[in-house]
Amino acid sequence: KAGVTQTPRYLIKTRGQQVTLSCSPISGHRSVSWYQQTPGQGLQFLFEYFSETQRNKGNFPGRFSGRQFSNSRSEMNVSTLELGDSALYLCASSREGTSGRSDTQYFGPGTRLTVL
Amino acid sequence: KNQVEQSPQSLIILEGKNCTLQCNYTVSPFSNLRWYKQDTGRGPVSLTIMTFSENTKSNGRYTATLDADTKQSSLHITASQLSDSASYICVVSDYNAGNMLTFGGGTRLMVKP
Repeated sequence: KAGVTQTPRYLIKTRGQQVTLSCSPISGHRSVSWYQQTPGQGLQFLFEYFSETQRNKGNFPGRFSGRQFSNSRSEMNVSTLELGDSALYLCASSREGTSGRSDTQYFGPGTRLTVL
Repeated sequence: KNQVEQSPQSLIILEGKNCTLQCNYTVSPFSNLRWYKQDTGRGPVSLTIMTFSENTKSNGRYTATLDADTKQSSLHITASQLSDSASYICVVSDYNAGNMLTFGGGTRLMVKP
């Protein structure tokens, strides 16, 4: 069974640009969650999508947005990039999502975004 | 504000030794508490998931314990191996906030030969 895949793996952008990251969940998983990981802040929750609907959202500005398609693939978009957006962006998929009390999340390898 | 505090921040042990990592949280009530292992440059991997009614869960050489009264969890690693070198992250799901996840800062473990 294929794992969670994320593309691209590495990305370099400049301030003010926008970026779109992609995540393909494990087959059969309807929930995709996105996280930002930085050395200073650790892992932080961005948002969760379940069956094409945003079910949960973390404390990030509106520049961070996402969507989920009918095949459960998800994209995350960051507009007007800032230097502080440089981070590892991880997505995770699961069957039931965070409402599943013992639902295992499977993480992808992440996209390393560098903003210059 | 929900908080998850982990200790120690970093730990060095010799191969074959046991160790225990701590996680204190303020999230209440919570749906579940998870421990993840994250190797450098890779995504986290789930080790254990416990609901509030469980007080221990094992996964091979990894054993997690939970005391919901004191809001503490620990992850015990038995007979450590070099491959255990990684960051270990404690995550708590907030029942009243749509199961929003709050992450601890992690413990970086290094196992030396």
